[in-house]
Amino acid sequence: EAQVTQNPRYLITVTGKKLTVTCSQNMNHEYMSWYRQDPGLGLRQIYYSMNVEVTDKGDVPEGYKVSRKEKRNFPLILESPSPNQTSLYFCASSLAGYNEQFFGPGTRLTVL
Amino acid sequence: AQKITQTQPGMFVQEKEAVTLDCTYDTSDQSYGLFWYKQPSSGEMIFLIYQGSYDEQNATEGRYSLNFQKARKSANLVISASQLGDSAMYFCAMREPSSGTYKYIFGTGTRLKVLA
Repeated sequence: EAQVTQNPRYLITVTGKKLTVTCSQNMNHEYMSWYRQDPGLGLRQIYYSMNVEVTDKGDVPEGYKVSRKEKRNFPLILESPSPNQTSLYFCASSLAGYNEQFFGPGTRLTVL
Repeated sequence: AQKITQTQPGMFVQEKEAVTLDCTYDTSDQSYGLFWYKQPSSGEMIFLIYQGSYDEQNATEGRYSLNFQKARKSANLVISASQLGDSAMYFCAMREPSSGTYKYIFGTGTRLKVLA
């Protein structure tokens, strides 16, 4: 089944404890992206990647890191999480130049 | 700066009626793409419809159509014959193609409730 998977789906952590949210797609998509969704703010793009080893900042990259060492994987790294990073996070992928993004199920992160 | 505005935080519509969800955008680019996504209460994001800035015809996908008015910079979603399953959050989005990048900007969403 074609899909985007994210792990974990739910995470509660404490300020400053490094964490990684994994994202993987099995559709051979070039484009992958991370978003955060907050009430009243819609989705905001954190980082995106056009292909392996090619990443770029979205609108809210502060406090996040990403890497794209393999085409299928695009992990989101929070080196030192803070409470303002409590949010619902979505990973998405698409073929380069195509219109439809496929979204993962979301990861709900709480930073205490 | 590029921006998407959805001015309707919430809307109600009677089952089987049509409803229009508003979206206006701001960009200085000539080439861009506009999207609508649906987010049911279960949380997943579902792609509905796409309109390219150079497309002369309004996009349609089943009961969904996009009323694209380029001069007014609006890309309203029209849902015909609403169903109870259409109750969800709807997001308008724009892809910024400048410099060959693919940044996306989303609006704040409109929550639609379909009444039986």
